[in-house]
Amino acid sequence: EVQVLESGGGLVQPGGSLRLSCAASGFTFSNYAMSWVRQAPGKGLEWVSGVSGSGGSTYYADSVKGRFTISRDNSKNTLYLQMNSLRAEDTAVYYCAKTLSSGWYPRFDYWGQGTLVTVSS
Amino acid sequence: NFMLTQPHSVSESPGKTVTISCTGSSGSIASNYVQWYQRRPGSAPTTVIYEDDRRPSGVPDRFSGSIDSSSNSASLTISGLKTEDEADYYCQSYDSSSSVEFGGGTKLTVL
Repeated sequence: EVQVLESGGGLVQPGGSLRLSCAASGFTFSNYAMSWVRQAPGKGLEWVSGVSGSGGSTYYADSVKGRFTISRDNSKNTLYLQMNSLRAEDTAVYYCAKTLSSGWYPRFDYWGQGTLVTVSS
Repeated sequence: NFMLTQPHSVSESPGKTVTISCTGSSGSIASNYVQWYQRRPGSAPTTVIYEDDRRPSGVPDRFSGSIDSSSNSASLTISGLKTEDEADYYCQSYDSSSSVEFGGGTKLTVL
């Protein structure tokens, strides 16, 4: 059974940093591109970042480019999102999502339950 | 920028059929695959349609997807509506710059 489980969310002050993790199981992790998608309170889904199956190619939304870094450790079946210079508008539930292929053709098939990030003083 | 536009809300009675549209702002919506996601309150999103019209295993055949190139839009159709179908539905696609776009979401009320 495919499972992705996020962790690492919490309360952080503006300008602070946080690292999210997503532990994957039930599939050959390195064969699939992965992504982070967020949903702010009362808002819709917003794509944040993606990474190819090998980890060699990364992609970012303009709203987080230069502040967030996506990475993966295929030996640990884990996806990461390092978030720096956090702003109030980054407050959201962050979802880890698996795609259908190794390359970056973002079609999401499995989603985690999400982890809440709150940026507030 | 490439954008996807959905109606804010739709409502229909149990047993009826409803169609949710997703209109592309530029280029051809048929150029890249469209997916549809369901998000019930308090739950994570789930995929109900991928690659325009394909259903993941476990999704009932009451759900179907289509593309209309003439109107540059995608559609999600749910037939035989059930109260459990009440949720927010999002379309999603991507563009040639590898950027991902979600529609704004459509709240489906089954009353």
